[in-house]
Amino acid sequence: NAGVTQTPKFQVLKTGQSMTLQCAQDMNHNSMYWYRQDPGMGLRLIYYSASEGTTDKGEVPNGYNVSRLNKREFSLRLESAAPSQTSVYFCASSERPSGGLNEQFFGPGTRLTVL
Amino acid sequence: AQSVTQLGSHVSVSEGALVLLRCNYSSSVPPYLFWYVQYPNQGLQLLLKYTSAATLVKGINGFEAEFKKSETSFHLTKPSAHMSDAAEYFCAVSEPGAAGNKLTFGGGTRVLVKP
Repeated sequence: NAGVTQTPKFQVLKTGQSMTLQCAQDMNHNSMYWYRQDPGMGLRLIYYSASEGTTDKGEVPNGYNVSRLNKREFSLRLESAAPSQTSVYFCASSERPSGGLNEQFFGPGTRLTVL
Repeated sequence: AQSVTQLGSHVSVSEGALVLLRCNYSSSVPPYLFWYVQYPNQGLQLLLKYTSAATLVKGINGFEAEFKKSETSFHLTKPSAHMSDAAEYFCAVSEPGAAGNKLTFGGGTRVLVKP
């Protein structure tokens, strides 16, 4: 099993450009998440999908959109990139939510720079 | 709202010495608590989790953590540091019963191990 995979690994954008970060998991998990990691701030939740067909905002959703394409795939879109979105983005997945018991499994991350 | 505070963004220890990483949380209900480790240029992986069973939790690679409700703490320890422990460590909480199995992370503590 590959676990959680993310593409691309690195990306450089100019301000105003758009892009989609792709995430896929092969563990048959129901829930998927997008986080951003910034120095000293830990990981902050951008959006999550508790189950196929549902998406909800996290702590820092502004400037982002998501699509839960199917059970395996959860994409994150930046419509008009800004320098403040320079960060490392992580996708994660977990089994059916059961009151917070289940651990999340993380992908290797996408390092995004917006000039 | 939940919050997590990790005291010390950087910790330096000698090989063979005790590793102690501090985590305090704020939550209206007893939470589930997690420690994750991130090695350079990788995603996060679970070290251990507390889910209201035993207050002393043992994890992988010789790490353990103790839940102390009276101190709202979940400090991580390892008796003897190894060079391979050099990484960044994150404490995280989730609220039992909350939708989506969401995690709230602390800011992280980077561990340097000196030979």
